[in-house]
Amino acid sequence: QVQLVQSGAEAKKPGASVKVSCEASGYTFTDYYIHWVRQALGQGLEWMGWINPDNGGSNYAKKFQGRVTLTRDTSINTAYMEMSRLRADDTAVYYCARGPIQPTEDWFDPWGQGTLVTV
Amino acid sequence: QSALTQPHSVSGSPGQSVTITCTRTSSDVGNYNFVSWYQQHPGKAPKLMIYDVSKRPSGVPDRFSGSKSGNTTSLTISGLQAEDEADYFCCSYAGRYIWVFGGGTKVTV
Repeated sequence: QVQLVQSGAEAKKPGASVKVSCEASGYTFTDYYIHWVRQALGQGLEWMGWINPDNGGSNYAKKFQGRVTLTRDTSINTAYMEMSRLRADDTAVYYCARGPIQPTEDWFDPWGQGTLVTV
Repeated sequence: QSALTQPHSVSGSPGQSVTITCTRTSSDVGNYNFVSWYQQHPGKAPKLMIYDVSKRPSGVPDRFSGSKSGNTTSLTISGLQAEDEADYFCCSYAGRYIWVFGGGTKVTV
């Protein structure tokens, strides 16, 4: 079945960087976007950005531009989210989710299990 | 502040219907034809319930339906069940390859 499996929880100091991975299985990795969404404890969902695994193209929410970098390794069907200059308010659960590349429909499915990053 | 506004909470008794609204409060959410809804139980990842305003993925009970009127999209849960108690988030494509989420609604059964 289609599945996204993320790396484990991370604890970082302010100013450090963190890199979270998202391994895809059950479908052709390069046929769908990978989006990243975060959720602070008890708060709502916040869309961060996407990467096109086929060509590496990406786009970011304005809030995260310059501090978040999305990459992928197609040889192991894995997408990465790296955030630098971490602050205490970056403490959140970070999710990856699959989305369509074609602009004819729009959804996020499935989602990874989430990765808790504590700063 | 989110460009998509949802009520903080709604509640209903088992068997009743509840409707959650998601109102576009900014023109920064595109043409509003790409709206999806996600259910999230405590400690779990979100789950897709409705996409493209009113389409239901396979496996989602037909008790869940979506609609749109003007600047407001809605998720209706008919025949409310205990397992429907969760947080629900709307999400819209905002154009220019950007997406935005609503603030979320807690449904209490």
